[in-house]
Amino acid sequence: QVQLQESGPGLVKPSETLSLTCAVSGGSISSYYWSWIRQPPGKGLEWIGYIYYSGSTNYNPSLKSRVTISFDTSKNQFSLKLSSVTAADTAVYYCAATTSGYTSGWHGYWGQGTLVTVSS
Amino acid sequence: DIQMTQSPSTLSASVGDRVTITCRASQSISNWLAWYQQKPGKAPKLLIYKASSLESGVPSRFSGSGSGTEFTLTISSLQPDDFATYYCQQYSSYPWTFGQGTKVEIK
Repeated sequence: QVQLQESGPGLVKPSETLSLTCAVSGGSISSYYWSWIRQPPGKGLEWIGYIYYSGSTNYNPSLKSRVTISFDTSKNQFSLKLSSVTAADTAVYYCAATTSGYTSGWHGYWGQGTLVTVSS
Repeated sequence: DIQMTQSPSTLSASVGDRVTITCRASQSISNWLAWYQQKPGKAPKLLIYKASSLESGVPSRFSGSGSGTEFTLTISSLQPDDFATYYCQQYSSYPWTFGQGTKVEIK
């Protein structure tokens, strides 16, 4: 059973960098893609991207120029950095464990989510 | 990007009703589709993957069907715990995309 827990600042100023961390417990690191997904208040879900334990990444092109996802295997955690944020980046950010493999891509485990507000 | 369109956006139903939610893809995604349930203030929960495979622990009243561009999520007999918002998600090609959601309300 994989458990995920997001952490990071709940308030970020416009033009600065949003940084979040997701602590992973349980499960095999190599069995999943480690994903970030966000949900603006009252709106739908948007996949941000993922990292595999090998270090390979895949990002949503709509955010690619501003996103970095990294993995710290020694701490069993992965991180999201989103640069040059605006109010449009205000959302609940979820980390998720996504079943890996050629024919896979469903998010089986989710963190509880953390609200990040972009405001001065 | 593949666009996922759910219908209806809102559905009013009573306990015991059979409920069907439709998800249409803007191009064929084979059966690379998942369904999630989300309750207010909570993370989404996986219900169905590969269009029709029931996630472990999910009640059998939930079922999924379809392939290509048209998919359905069916709740055979709606229970009080099922009032929530449901999302479909395609993972056929990047970027992975979600439908806009269907809210199931109490009638």
